[in-house]
Amino acid sequence: KAGVTQTPRYLIKTRGQQVTLSCSPISGHRSVSWYQQTPGQGLQFLFEYFSETQRNKGNFPGRFSGRQFSNSRSEMNVSTLELGDSALYLCASSLRTDSGNTIYFGEGSWLTVV
Amino acid sequence: GESVGLHLPTLSVQEGDNSIINCAYSNSASDYFIWYKQESGKGPQFIIDIRSNMDKRQGQRVTVLLNKTVKHLSLQIAATQPGDSAVYFCVNGGATNKLIFGTGTLLAVQP
Repeated sequence: KAGVTQTPRYLIKTRGQQVTLSCSPISGHRSVSWYQQTPGQGLQFLFEYFSETQRNKGNFPGRFSGRQFSNSRSEMNVSTLELGDSALYLCASSLRTDSGNTIYFGEGSWLTVV
Repeated sequence: GESVGLHLPTLSVQEGDNSIINCAYSNSASDYFIWYKQESGKGPQFIIDIRSNMDKRQGQRVTVLLNKTVKHLSLQIAATQPGDSAVYFCVNGGATNKLIFGTGTLLAVQP
C-alpha cells in the first residue's frame, strides 16, 4: 500500500511568487492535514480537510490556503511568498477526522524562498 | 535578524543499550498520544500510540508507558541501533486530527 505522496519534493521560489503543493493520501484515507516545519518554530498545524471541507485551521495568515478534491487528494497554496515561508511542508492522512485514528505523514515538500 | 532554532533536548546512548525518552503533557483531558520518529530530511514516521485507558503498550522493540497521575509518557527502545538516531516527538492527539507537536528529543546513538 503506497504511503502519503507529496509533490514536488524540492522547489525554490522568489519572494512575492505563489506556490502550490500537492498531496495524495493513503488509499482510503479521507482526512488530510498540512503542517509547516521550520527550525525556529518546529512543527505547526496549518489546516485539515475531510470530505472536501476544511475542518480545522491553524494560526497562519490568509496567504496560506488549501483545498481537497473528491478523490481526497489535497493541495495547499501560499501566495505572496515571504522569506520566512521557507520550510518543510508536510502532509498527513488518516481514515477519519476524530481523535484516536493513526495519522501518517509524507516525506514533505522542501520550499526555499529567495 | 538572526534566526534562533529550537533547542532540542538530546539523549545520547551507546549502541545496544536501552533508551528511554520522556515526555510531559499538561492537558489532563488528553486521551490519545502518539510517538513519531523523524529522521533528518524525512517526514515524521508513526512508531506507536496509546490511549488514556491503557498504561502500557508494546511494539517491536518499543514500549510506551503512560502515567496519567503525573501526566507523563515515556518511550522505551530496546537494544538501540544506529538507525534509531532521530528526533522523537510525543504528540497529543487531541479531539481531532490537529496534532500538537512539542520540541522533540534528539536521540543520538553512539557506536
